[in-house]
Amino acid sequence: EAEVAQSPRYKITEKSQAVAFWCDPISGHATLYWYRQILGQGPELLVQFQDESVVDDSQLPKDRFSAERLKGVDSTLKIQPAELGDSAMYLCASSLGVYTEAFFGQGTRLTVV
Amino acid sequence: SQQGEEDPQALSIQEGENATMNCSYKTSINNLQWYRQNSGRGLVHLILIRSNEREKHSGRLRVTLDTSKKSSSLLITASRAADTASYFCAPRDEKLTFGTGTRLTIIP
Repeated sequence: EAEVAQSPRYKITEKSQAVAFWCDPISGHATLYWYRQILGQGPELLVQFQDESVVDDSQLPKDRFSAERLKGVDSTLKIQPAELGDSAMYLCASSLGVYTEAFFGQGTRLTVV
Repeated sequence: SQQGEEDPQALSIQEGENATMNCSYKTSINNLQWYRQNSGRGLVHLILIRSNEREKHSGRLRVTLDTSKKSSSLLITASRAADTASYFCAPRDEKLTFGTGTRLTIIP
């Protein structure tokens, strides 16, 4: 069964360092999402892509976060510099279209020390 | 964009009982989806109900949608310990956003 792949699964980084997460969506899925989830809360949408275009990044802290989806396939989310408050689970998801069901990866657990 | 608001925030029931959780939203939608999240894992899609549907079943899941009240409910019948998880609704417009969810605990 096709899956959304994310790496790494776990990442520990020091404050002020740069960190990057990678996501490979299910083949053929045009819509890709990045979420941040703090323990005990729901996932917060950071950025949504339709193919290679950003549909929404209104909640992305653009002073330190960036996201790209070159060629409309896999995607990278970067944080530079990392802050203690960035410790969270980062989830990637993809869907065939804007309104269809989304499939999630296992997430990357980030700890900033 | 909008996110659903799930109620209750937490629910504990005995194994075998039915669990009902509710979702409210604010504006018009294309469809409404329910997801489950086990601790420390990604979300898993459970069921999608279109805006012109009123009820949908999938196995032990029953979802209702009332667009006039802008609300939905998810019923899990004959609960099992494996149903312990957080449940999120996603009222679908162009974005996929989530509320804080309902944390369901099934007591063996």
